[in-house]
Amino acid sequence: DAGITQSPRHKVTETGTPVTLRCHQTENHRYMYWYRQDPGHGLRLIHYSYGVKDTDKGEVSDGYSVSRSKTEDFLLTLESATSSQTSVYFCAIRGTATTDTQYFGPGTRLTVL
Amino acid sequence: QQQVKQSPQSLIVQKGGISIINCAYENTAFDYFPWYQQFPGKGPALLIAIRPDVSEKKEGRFTISFNKSAKQFSLHIMDSQPGDSATYFCAASIDGANNLFFGTGTRLTVIP
Repeated sequence: DAGITQSPRHKVTETGTPVTLRCHQTENHRYMYWYRQDPGHGLRLIHYSYGVKDTDKGEVSDGYSVSRSKTEDFLLTLESATSSQTSVYFCAIRGTATTDTQYFGPGTRLTVL
Repeated sequence: QQQVKQSPQSLIVQKGGISIINCAYENTAFDYFPWYQQFPGKGPALLIAIRPDVSEKKEGRFTISFNKSAKQFSLHIMDSQPGDSATYFCAASIDGANNLFFGTGTRLTVIP
């Protein structure tokens, strides 16, 4: 998984609680991404980062926030989890502006009860 | 609204046969078209990718065919093997691949 770890790998939480997922990379790549994967939707981009403290919204950003204080870490926060945010979350990284390939982490399965 | 439409949803192929998965898009600004392979419990992994300046790209048993005028592209897996059984996603992007739009996936099963 291209030097990417995600934590936790599994989490069960209750509606209304805050949740933070962590993505850690050892590749020193500039670009980092958060996706969610749901049956019938494929993968959809939530947020991405193009450098430390530089982030932007993706296709399905409502209800999510991100932070990147170090090159190697990209955090995804659900301020108040809802059942519709039950999903598998994937982090991805990309090296440079001229490199198209995104490499994905192993994923975090989140269940919101 | 799905930016990239993928079919079929599932596919069963005999060992040694050809697996074909199709994708279509509307946004003519897309300029990068990758295919990802995903095994259960794993993250997607890049299989092969193409840009619209070529009509075909082959890597081993995997070939992308690209039809710019029809706004369609497809993945062909020749001599399909049981180890190819996985879910395959097509995708498309513009803008240096930050906004990567995925199809809904095709679950391929190769029967021995």
